[in-house]
Amino acid sequence: NAGVTQTPKFQVLKTGQSMTLQCAQDMNHNSMYWYRQDPGMGLRLIYYSASEGTTDKGEVPNGYNVSRLNKREFSLRLESAAPSQTSVYFCASSALRSEKLFFGSGTQLSVL
Amino acid sequence: QKEVEQNSGPLSVPEGAIASLNCTYSDRGSQSFFWYRQYSGKSPELIMFIYSNGDKEDGRFTAQLNKASQYVSLLIRDSQPSDSATYLCAAGWNSGNTPLVFGKGTRLSVIA
Repeated sequence: NAGVTQTPKFQVLKTGQSMTLQCAQDMNHNSMYWYRQDPGMGLRLIYYSASEGTTDKGEVPNGYNVSRLNKREFSLRLESAAPSQTSVYFCASSALRSEKLFFGSGTQLSVL
Repeated sequence: QKEVEQNSGPLSVPEGAIASLNCTYSDRGSQSFFWYRQYSGKSPELIMFIYSNGDKEDGRFTAQLNKASQYVSLLIRDSQPSDSATYLCAAGWNSGNTPLVFGKGTRLSVIA
């Protein structure tokens, strides 16, 4: 049982490049989330999707876009990467009416 | 502003002692509280949750909630070196549509 799968695990970008982080869950969860984690800053919510077909901004959405492709998949896109977006990115999901989050293994992104 | 505050630590305790991790939250409307454990380089993992005032025990872990004081704690009895990790506190609203708010985490070090 894979749970929440994120790809890639590591990525190095140059300033201005674009990329998409992929996330898929196989638990039939309704809600999906993207967080970033920086040293000393805890988990900060970028975007979330409470259900298929909806997306909402979190605490730090600037510079990012998301797509809820279907119930399983929720992608995060950086259109023009900046060094300030160097971080570890976590995708998470939760079941209907549950707040218990299940996290993917994370993506370490460096923007040079 | 909905905030969750934690002491960043590190909190150092000797093996076999009780580790006490604390968390305060700003929104009196918060209904649900979660503790996640995060080992270095890994993703957060849910270890405890509590909804009602009082204590909730699960093995060596006890979560305590005092809504009047807006205070949540996690006690780890008989601490082991394997408990060394960062512990993240999160508050929720039991709504299914409002994402959790996380504290910045407390780093625990259990010394053998």
